[in-house]
Amino acid sequence: QVQLVQSGAEVKKPGASVKVSCKASGYTFTDYYMHWVRQAPGQGLEWMGWINPNTGDTNFAQKFQGRVTMTRDTSISTAYMEVRGLRSDDTAVYYCARDDSLDYWGQGTLVTVSS
Amino acid sequence: DVVMTQSPLSLPVTLGQPASISCRSSQSLVHSDGNTYLHWFQQRPGQSPRRLIYKVSNRDSGVPDRFSGSGSGTDFTLKISRVEAEDVGVYYCMQSTHWPPWTFGQGTKVEIK
Repeated sequence: QVQLVQSGAEVKKPGASVKVSCKASGYTFTDYYMHWVRQAPGQGLEWMGWINPNTGDTNFAQKFQGRVTMTRDTSISTAYMEVRGLRSDDTAVYYCARDDSLDYWGQGTLVTVSS
Repeated sequence: DVVMTQSPLSLPVTLGQPASISCRSSQSLVHSDGNTYLHWFQQRPGQSPRRLIYKVSNRDSGVPDRFSGSGSGTDFTLKISRVEAEDVGVYYCMQSTHWPPWTFGQGTKVEIK
């Protein structure tokens, strides 16, 4: 069965960086794009971008360009999403989700940005 | 960017009664390949979102048949034929026809009266 297992919760200070991982299993990792979506406390869903695990190509929502990096390690079927220059409004649960129609989701990683 | 507008934003429903959520897009979601990439997600309290319906009307595996999706162009609907207690949560529509970005509706909170 398809599973996406994300890394644990993080607490960061403003200006720091955070890197969240998403380990895929139950399917061929390179066959499906991986998307990242975030959800601020009590708010809706916000698409951040995708990575093509086969080529490493990425595409981002404009507001995240230059501040977010997405990478992958195909040897361990894991995708990564890094946010730099964290601000308090980056406090959110970050999800990875498979495929362009987001058919499977990770359990989410809470990133708290606080001084 | 394509703006997705859901209504209502809050939907109190009596158990066993039907529920309907509307999702409108700011432009047609028909792709040049002929498909319409409009999907519905359910997010139960404290859980990750779960895809219920893909490409307007295709129910995901394991999704009860009381859930159905319909619509075309810019107007779409998610219907629950008879609401059960486990249906409580927030429902989102999302389009992936015109990207970037993928865009979501604001969410509709379904609760039991």
